[in-house]
Amino acid sequence: RKEVEQDPGPFNVPEGATVAFNCTYSNSASQSFFWYRQDCRKEPKLLMSVYSSGNEDGRFTAQLNRASQYISLLIRDSKLSDSATYLCVVNRHSGYALNFGKGTSLLVTP
Amino acid sequence: EPEVTQTPSHQVTQMGQEVILRCVPISNHLYFYWYRQILGQKVEFLVSFYNNEISEKSEIFDDRFSVERPDGSNFTLKIRSTKLEDSAMYFCASSEAGSKETQYFGPGTRLLVL
Repeated sequence: RKEVEQDPGPFNVPEGATVAFNCTYSNSASQSFFWYRQDCRKEPKLLMSVYSSGNEDGRFTAQLNRASQYISLLIRDSKLSDSATYLCVVNRHSGYALNFGKGTSLLVTP
Repeated sequence: EPEVTQTPSHQVTQMGQEVILRCVPISNHLYFYWYRQILGQKVEFLVSFYNNEISEKSEIFDDRFSVERPDGSNFTLKIRSTKLEDSAMYFCASSEAGSKETQYFGPGTRLLVL
């Protein structure tokens, strides 16, 4: 089983749509969870951390289900500028290093 | 806003040569990392560095790889005897503290081994 699994997409959605991404992770000892965004040939940039209680940042909502080892990201009112690859990221074991999913590609169209 | 910088942005080398990739982490950060991303694949962890020593490394980080913080600002990754499969984008990252802190990534060095 892969350490972090994501649906690769692509997700093609019209502007204004709501889109949801899912991710599962294999290491139950993981303590830190993130969504990063990566534009083509650029570095990953933190979108948001994910907490057990769920958290929201503007149009973005992240949820964590530790029992199911499942993480989600919801984007409401999609903008053209949201087009990117969204990376589900979990810390490795109990250390500092990060395990990345392969990413889910999102294309928002006019 | 403080940022991680990396040089060079692109590096082309012949198989078997040595390369040094350079990074300047954010100035008050204490933890430093190298990751790589082969074209079309996921970002992979190579090594983490804290208090002047390696704190964790992956199976990718074999004895051809080494890291160093030669002064108070630079953090380098050296790859000896480069192989074709070392061709990738190499990202440096830094964080203020440990596992729960955000890691900030540099723009990357694209390495091509011919």
